[in-house]
Amino acid sequence: DTAVSQTPKYLVTQMGNDKSIKCEQNLGHDTMYWYKQDSKKFLKIMFSYNNKELIINETVPNRFSPKSPDKAHLNLHINSLELGDSAVYFCASSQVGGTSGYNEQFFGPGTRLTVL
Amino acid sequence: GQQLNQSPQSMFIQEGEDVSMNCTSSSIFNTWLWYKQDPGEGPVLLIALYKAGELTSNGRLTAQFGITRKDSFLNISASIPSDVGIYFCAALAGNNRKLIWGLGTSLAVNP
Repeated sequence: DTAVSQTPKYLVTQMGNDKSIKCEQNLGHDTMYWYKQDSKKFLKIMFSYNNKELIINETVPNRFSPKSPDKAHLNLHINSLELGDSAVYFCASSQVGGTSGYNEQFFGPGTRLTVL
Repeated sequence: GQQLNQSPQSMFIQEGEDVSMNCTSSSIFNTWLWYKQDPGEGPVLLIALYKAGELTSNGRLTAQFGITRKDSFLNISASIPSDVGIYFCAALAGNNRKLIWGLGTSLAVNP
């Protein structure tokens, strides 16, 4: 069973298009995240949702809009794609509420986005 | 954005050698983490450290939480080909559980 899944695995598109990446977790976690990993492998948090509420919203262009229809899903919609959006996007989830210590973030396999 | 200073950036070693990498910060953190990313996959947690001075092992991996709470170290003993990947340090910041990441250490192991 896949714990955190993302679709698609690869996405190649033209500049100016709008695209979405979907993420689902079957771990029963209450918190989900989107990260961007650039060509230098740096991982940067973009958004985090806890129980469908946005709790982390880093400095990200407003062309990026996360949507959480329920606790198990966090989708990422990107408008007017630019060349600089090319990267690998990772979804992750963790159980934060009611626990102490570090609540391990489980990562999906990533979506490689290439903007031409 | 905030990030941790991780070194070395890359390593190329022979199978059987030991490996050391470290991570430093100008800020104090109460939780330090080490993740590994295999090629084409997402990062996976290796070790979590919660207490200054703590030394924790996971098989051939040993990590330490620096006494100043501003650094951490990861050692891999007797490396094998499947140790290949990128190792990231991370630290937990603030009440919103945001992870601050290092830039990664890329490890290649020659069989």
